[in-house]
Amino acid sequence: GAVVSQHPSWVICKSGTSVKIECRSLDFQATTMFWYRQFPKQSLMLMATSNEGSKATYEQGVEKDKFLINHASLTLSTLTVTSAHPEDSSFYICSARETNTGELFFGEGSRLTVL
Amino acid sequence: AQSVTQLGSHVSVSEGALVLLRCNYSSSVPPYLFWYVQYPNQGLQLLLKYTSAATLVKGINGFEAEFKKSETSFHLTKPSAHMSDAAEYFCAVSRGGGSNYKLTFGKGTLLTVNP
Repeated sequence: GAVVSQHPSWVICKSGTSVKIECRSLDFQATTMFWYRQFPKQSLMLMATSNEGSKATYEQGVEKDKFLINHASLTLSTLTVTSAHPEDSSFYICSARETNTGELFFGEGSRLTVL
Repeated sequence: AQSVTQLGSHVSVSEGALVLLRCNYSSSVPPYLFWYVQYPNQGLQLLLKYTSAATLVKGINGFEAEFKKSETSFHLTKPSAHMSDAAEYFCAVSRGGGSNYKLTFGKGTLLTVNP
């Protein structure tokens, strides 16, 4: 089946640094990808919709300057957490919508810990 | 606006017993409904989905769900629980396929299976 890969799976960084998380669709093209944030024992909250070749659409309350999203190709979207702080620590999950079928596939998630 | 309510944040069953995870939705348009499973520190895996075809939907791992418009429900069931079913389950709703395919998730139900 279709695979969506996230990298890194785990990352620990110091407060004030920036961290980039990649989301790749390995065997299909994805015009649209989604980024979610999940706090411990809670649901997934949609952060933004990433569209290839255009600016991402952010959900209300999500700081676009804080969470930079780039969708430069049909198989790759990146989320950069800028000037990370401990409150940014979370599990970040991406999903990719297959362009041809419309099916949605989720990545394995990336756990960010900011010290 | 759309929303999903999962009744019961934690359900515990014995191995071999019936699994019933409840989900009620609210949507201003005919919804698409989904059930996902999440194992610890992993992404989401689609169990099944309802997209306005048959109201009884069969998914993977022996799970099924029935769409009941009159009750605005989409409960997930499995006749006989297995130890490997222990995980977090999320019900989700979207407005349809479309070009964005945004999902709104419920808060999740943790299923534990006792030997």
